[in-house]
Amino acid sequence: DTGVSQNPRHKITKRGQNVTFRCDPISEHNRLYWYRQTLGQGPEFLTYFQNEAQLEKSRLLSDRFSAERPKGSFSTLEIQRTEQGDSAMYLCASSRPRGSGANVLTFGAGSRLTVL
Amino acid sequence: AQTVTQSQPEMSVQEAETVTLSCTYDTSESNYYLFWYKQPPSRQMILVIRQEAYKQQNATENRFSVNFQKAAKSFSLKISDSQLGDTAMYFCAFTTHQGGSEKLVFGKGTKLTVNP
Repeated sequence: DTGVSQNPRHKITKRGQNVTFRCDPISEHNRLYWYRQTLGQGPEFLTYFQNEAQLEKSRLLSDRFSAERPKGSFSTLEIQRTEQGDSAMYLCASSRPRGSGANVLTFGAGSRLTVL
Repeated sequence: AQTVTQSQPEMSVQEAETVTLSCTYDTSESNYYLFWYKQPPSRQMILVIRQEAYKQQNATENRFSVNFQKAAKSFSLKISDSQLGDTAMYFCAFTTHQGGSEKLVFGKGTKLTVNP
């Protein structure tokens, strides 16, 4: 169990550029979540996958945001045409299937995005 | 709307003393799960303790315990024998699975500093 891995840890980009973050969950966890955390706030839910299916999306996830989880393993979060308001820490978490420790999220260290 | 309120933005405590962090939440659901997560400086978020709303008994994990008052929708965290390593942001969170949602709703956090 190597934990939840996120890459890159830090990304600085210019407004209008596209960025992509990757998350590798704990191998036996079939559930994967993306959250966004801005300074002084708690994490806000963005989206949730069970295996490869994206089952829930927040209204925070605008058309410029897309998340995928091909083959139900790692996930990517892409932000197109970045805006300064996208600057935040993007957190990935994973959890076990329901009924066996589900609800308990294991978080990664996060990917910090700075849009100039 | 489902919300979590942490009314103490910052708190401090002397090493070895006891501190209580407050949390209130709002939901119309009868069954839900409550959590306290800890986010040390520049490190990933980890679970401190969790409580299932249908269980009357307050959860405990070593030096950490909760005071769950369902009627008052209150879920406070007590840290006994505080240690320097307890210095962190503490987030209260809950999930109801309403409508099949897997969203975890977080408060804004309480910054706890343990002083030597």
